[in-house]
Amino acid sequence: AQTVTQSQPEMSVQEAETVTLSCTYDTSESDYYLFWYKQPPSRQMILVIRQEAYKQQNATENRFSVNFQKAAKSFSLKISDSQLGDAAMYFCAYRGGTSGTYKYIFGTGTRLKVLA
Amino acid sequence: DTGVSQDPRHKITKRGQNVTFRCDPISEHNRLYWYRQTLGQGPEFLTYFQNEAQLEKSRLLSDRFSAERPKGSFSTLEIQRTEQGDSAMYLCASSPGSQPQHFGDGTRLSIL
Repeated sequence: AQTVTQSQPEMSVQEAETVTLSCTYDTSESDYYLFWYKQPPSRQMILVIRQEAYKQQNATENRFSVNFQKAAKSFSLKISDSQLGDAAMYFCAYRGGTSGTYKYIFGTGTRLKVLA
Repeated sequence: DTGVSQDPRHKITKRGQNVTFRCDPISEHNRLYWYRQTLGQGPEFLTYFQNEAQLEKSRLLSDRFSAERPKGSFSTLEIQRTEQGDSAMYLCASSPGSQPQHFGDGTRLSIL
């Protein structure tokens, strides 16, 4: 069975600084996708960034980038130039790539605080 | 794209009562998912529909839970004889095929 682990329950970052959120996963599948979702308080989860396992190049979306280490089964999220609006719960999620349900397996989340 | 809509946002009920939640996915999204999120945890998969067919149910979905998606449009999740342990946020998500899932705001269930 696949598992996702986020070992940092809470992180803080100063506004305009850079922060990295960690995520490790375990799977025996070779084809899969990894995601970072952001969940602001009392708001819906929003996709931040995704990575296809077959791609060696790390995904980037504006201030957000990932460090995907397939052999180490590590998928960290780097947020550059942190803004107050980045404060939220961040969830790492795994999804199998072959045809099927495409259900997500989530980690327990990291609460990010942004200090002014 | 009006987003995934869930109703109600909050539901407070007494133990033993039945409750029903509704999810309206983004139109033309053929896949619909229900997840449950308890305090301090990430969402856990409950069930999945492709169009009107319920194709997978988690072991978390006891026989007190039932979900439907008539005509492949909106979906309902019913919990019968609610228990304290059912208190959670129930999230609905939809996707077009294999694309990333879009989530609703969730329904927070509190059992008195």
